Amino acid sequence: DAGVIQSPRHEVTEMGQEVTLRCKPISGHDYLFWYRQTMMRGLELLIYFNNNVPIDDSGMPEDRFSAKMPNASFSTLKIQPSEPRDSAVYFCASSLGIGSPLHFGNGTRLTVT
Amino acid sequence: SQQGEEDPQALSIQEGENATMNCSYKTSINNLQWYRQNSGRGLVHLILIRSNEREKHSGRLRVTLDTSKKSSSLLITASRAADTASYFCATAARGGSYIPTFGRGTSLIVHP
Repeated sequence: DAGVIQSPRHEVTEMGQEVTLRCKPISGHDYLFWYRQTMMRGLELLIYFNNNVPIDDSGMPEDRFSAKMPNASFSTLKIQPSEPRDSAVYFCASSLGIGSPLHFGNGTRLTVT
Repeated sequence: SQQGEEDPQALSIQEGENATMNCSYKTSINNLQWYRQNSGRGLVHLILIRSNEREKHSGRLRVTLDTSKKSSSLLITASRAADTASYFCATAARGGSYIPTFGRGTSLIVHP
């Protein structure tokens, strides 16, 4: 099992550009989560999916952020347009069921200049 | 807002010593989980303790849960330099979505 795979590992972009982060969850996991980690705010839940359906997106900071899960093996988090305050490490995680342990990817470090 | 908060924020010890980290939370929980994060990597699940359990062991790890005090502790015995990492507790709130909510973590440094 390769674990949760995220790409890219690092992304540097200029303010105003569109950024797309990608995630492949562990096969058979029904839940997929997107978290953001910063020194100031710690680890924040942005959105989570159950069986490819978005369940709670109340953590998405604003309309510039969107997430999709077109199938059970792929999810994207898009920021358009990006701003310097979006700089953070973005993690994708998956789990077998609700309340079950999360399996995290190694994250995407986003820097917006 | 964070449901769980770890204490201390930072801990520095010598190899061979024990390390104890604490987690306090606010609402009733279904379970509490501890995770480790090495620098530049994702979080790794260590141990899950359910609300009806008081203590759980896994190798050199010992976790306790006191639901009356809404607190948990993680003890790492005979620490090693490889234990250097940040440690997070995550609580799955009872009656809520059961989605784990993370604290800010304890940064542990083990000196060889």
